[in-house]
Amino acid sequence: NAGVTQTPKFRVLKTGQSMTLLCAQDMNHEYMYWYRQDPGMGLRLIHYSVGEGTTAKGEVPDGYNVSRLKKQNFLLGLESAAPSQTSVYFCASSPGQDLAKNIQYFGAGTRLSVL
Amino acid sequence: GQNIDQPTEMTATEGAIVQINCTYQTSGFNGLFWYQQHAGEAPTFLSYNVLDGLEEKGRFSSFLSRSKGYSYLLLKELQMKDSASYLCAVRDSAGNNRKLIWGLGTSLAVNP
Repeated sequence: NAGVTQTPKFRVLKTGQSMTLLCAQDMNHEYMYWYRQDPGMGLRLIHYSVGEGTTAKGEVPDGYNVSRLKKQNFLLGLESAAPSQTSVYFCASSPGQDLAKNIQYFGAGTRLSVL
Repeated sequence: GQNIDQPTEMTATEGAIVQINCTYQTSGFNGLFWYQQHAGEAPTFLSYNVLDGLEEKGRFSSFLSRSKGYSYLLLKELQMKDSASYLCAVRDSAGNNRKLIWGLGTSLAVNP
C-alpha cells in the first residue's frame, strides 16, 4: 500500500519557470491538501479539496493553482515561480470530515528551489 | 486570532520521560492532533483528543483540557529514535472545520 505519493522529490527552477507537482493517493480518501513548510513558519495550507472536482483556497494560495480532476490525484501548479516559493511542499489526504476520519496522511514531500 | 504555542526545543535523556506542552487560542475547537516529524521526512499522526482527559497509546499519551486551551504529549521510556519534531494541530470548528491550525513544532533531542 503506497499511501500518498508525491512527484518529483526534488526540483530546481529558475525564476519565471512553471511546473506541476503531482500528488497521488491510493486510500480512496475524499480530502486532499497541499502545504508548504518553511523554517520558523510551520506548515501552511496552500489549497485543499473536499472531493473530486472541488478545490478551495487555504492560508497562502497566491501564486499557486490546483486541480482535482480525479479523486486520487491532486495537482499543484506554479505558473511563474518566484524565489519566495522555495520551500518543502507536502501533500496530504484524509478520509473525511469526522474527527477520526480527519487524520491526515502525508506524502514524503517535494523540495523545491527557485533561483 | 488563531494561535498555537509550543516550546521550540527540548532535550531529554534516553529512558526518561518528557512532556511537550501545547497551548492554543482558536475561535472554535473540534479536536487536537499530535504529529511526529523526523528531520527531512513527512509528519506522521500520533494521537488526537476531542474530550478532556488522557489518551494513552503505548509509550505515548496525550492530554487535553479544553477549558484551559492546553494539551500535552507525554513520551515515556524515551528512545534515540524519538528525536524528532512534534507538531500540535487544532481543528477549528468555526466555519470550515476541515482545516487544521498547526503549531511550529517542538524539536526534541534525545541524548544517550
